[in-house]
Amino acid sequence: GQNIDQPTEMTATEGAIVQINCTYQTSGFNGLFWYQQHAGEAPTFLSYNVLDGLEEKGRFSSFLSRSKGYSYLLLKELQMKDSASYLCAVTDSNYQLIWGAGTKLIIKP
Amino acid sequence: NAGVTQTPKFRVLKTGQSMTLLCAQDMNHEYMYWYRQDPGMGLRLIHYSVGEGTTAKGEVPDGYNVSRLKKQNFLLGLESAAPSQTSVYFCASSLGTSGAQETQYFGPGTRLLVL
Repeated sequence: GQNIDQPTEMTATEGAIVQINCTYQTSGFNGLFWYQQHAGEAPTFLSYNVLDGLEEKGRFSSFLSRSKGYSYLLLKELQMKDSASYLCAVTDSNYQLIWGAGTKLIIKP
Repeated sequence: NAGVTQTPKFRVLKTGQSMTLLCAQDMNHEYMYWYRQDPGMGLRLIHYSVGEGTTAKGEVPDGYNVSRLKKQNFLLGLESAAPSQTSVYFCASSLGTSGAQETQYFGPGTRLLVL
């Protein structure tokens, strides 16, 4: 079966750095997405990785290792507004998007 | 551009009632999707469409029907609502299914409570 694993919840301090991990087992791989979802709102696109390595976009970076079936989202200089759920999703060989359950990130002052 | 819009935002149904959720996008996207999101679970695909006049089943299609008569609209129907269909429903659209074109843009969601 297809599976995406993320921690259910993480807590971090304002101004710090946090890394949210995602591991996946899917039938094929055609790309990995990270989305942010604030409580009661829709998911919004953060990043896309299809090749191994690090993609940096401002305070957010996303890393991919296809051989290990592993990705992480790195958030730097945490702000209170970063409190949200972070969803990892993988496109399989049929170009279907498989979603993880999401990681709820709690930022404390 | 409004992006992706959904109506209604919230609805309460009694078991056995029917309703239609409307989704509209103004980005000229070919692909549209209906998801449900339940606590502790990832987004689950109900149905999707790869273009006007086409629809296909996703992971959890039972109890739902869809139609895509116009490129910009994707309708989700519940013929006989059940309490198990209490959920938050999201519509999404994407330009394509290759590379970054797969990026999906979501509507604000419809919260459905079936009593």
